[in-house]
This record gives sequence, structure tokens and C-alpha cells, in this order.
Amino acid sequence: DTTVKQNPRYKLARVGKPVNLICSQTMNHDTMYWYQKKPNQAPKLLLFYYDKILNREADTFEKFQSSRPNNSFCSLYIGSAGLEYSAMYLCASSRDRGTQYFGPGTRLLVL
Amino acid sequence: AQSVTQPDARVTVSEGASLQLRCKYSSSVTPYLFWYVQYPRQGLQLLLKYYSGDPVVQGVNGFEAEFSKSNSSFHLRKASVHWSDSAVYFCAVSMRAGNTRKLIFGLGTTLQVQP
Repeated sequence: DTTVKQNPRYKLARVGKPVNLICSQTMNHDTMYWYQKKPNQAPKLLLFYYDKILNREADTFEKFQSSRPNNSFCSLYIGSAGLEYSAMYLCASSRDRGTQYFGPGTRLLVL
Repeated sequence: AQSVTQPDARVTVSEGASLQLRCKYSSSVTPYLFWYVQYPRQGLQLLLKYYSGDPVVQGVNGFEAEFSKSNSSFHLRKASVHWSDSAVYFCAVSMRAGNTRKLIFGLGTTLQVQP
């Protein structure tokens, strides 16, 4: 089973409010990733956890937070949502530097 | 730095016709290459991958891709498309990131299959 789950599937948020997205996998994968996907753009890597170590991309360093309380779960946290955060957020996981398997995504709309 | 270029933003073909979606990569080492597909309102699904060996790799739903080191390409092909193949197709290269790897995606090619 290569299932990655994401909750919620759709999220409506107000400008200035926090947003918390959840991802889970039961494949014992060592790495979990978060990507942001906007229309007509390539998926953009935001951050990833290798085991318990968080790596954030340089240009998104201050905009997104994340936690990984155990091997199976990983969250993506936006402290104060802006209109520019409206996008699909994709979670993925992999093991031993192998193939990344993606979840169905969470579509976030900020108003 | 590694990068991926998908030169065709949109491709339209008739149902039953053959298909080729182009992908060019830039890498200083032999890359790991992938094709993913995104159907409307869904996440990314893996079609196929290339790590090494036979340059022609088979994927799901009749898709295949051919790695060419000399051309720095990894084009996706299908002999006969179906209307359900309409989607956005992403080519990606995997690069080392510390103890793991991360994906660099192209902008994607939107495939529209006409009846």
C-alpha cells in the first residue's frame, strides 16, 4: 500500500488566520515533503522532514512551519494566511531516497 | 544545478492517436527521472521512473518513456491515447538533498484528448 492521506481535502481560511494541514502515511517512510502547487506552475517544494530533521527551502523559510510528532504524521502550518497562500498543498513521502508518493492534496482558499 | 524543461505547455491529440510529451533535463550526473500525472482536482500520481539500465521504461496505463543521455531527454510516449488520459503531465528530476532526495519539476504539459 502506497497511500498518503491528507486532511482536510478543502480548506477555506480568512486572511490573517492560521491554517494547519495534516498528512499521514503508514509505509514507514523516512522522509515526508510538502509542496505548493498553483495553477500553471510547477509544484514547488516548501520543506521536508528526513526522520526528525526539518529542512526548509530558503525562499519559504519564514512563511511555513511544520512538525512531525511521529514517523507517520506531518503537519504544515501557516501562522497568518495571506491571499498568496491560496493553492493546492501536496504531501509526499519516500523511503531510502526512493520514489516519492503523493497524497491527494489539500486545496486551500484564502479570502 | 539540476532543472527540467517541458517545452510544450499544451498538447491536443485525437483519441486513438499516438502521443509524445517532451522533457529535457539538465544535470551534471546521471539523473533519476520521473513522470507524474495530475488529473483534475487530484494529487500527483506516478506514471514511471528511470534510475538506470534499459533506457526505455514502462509505466502504468500503456505509457513508456525513453531516457537519452546524449540528448538530455526523457520523453513520454503512448501508442494510442484515450479520452481519460486528459490531464497535466509533469516531468521531474531527483536531486540529492542531505541524507535524502528532492524533486525538481517542470512546468507541466496539459494534454487534451479530443473525441
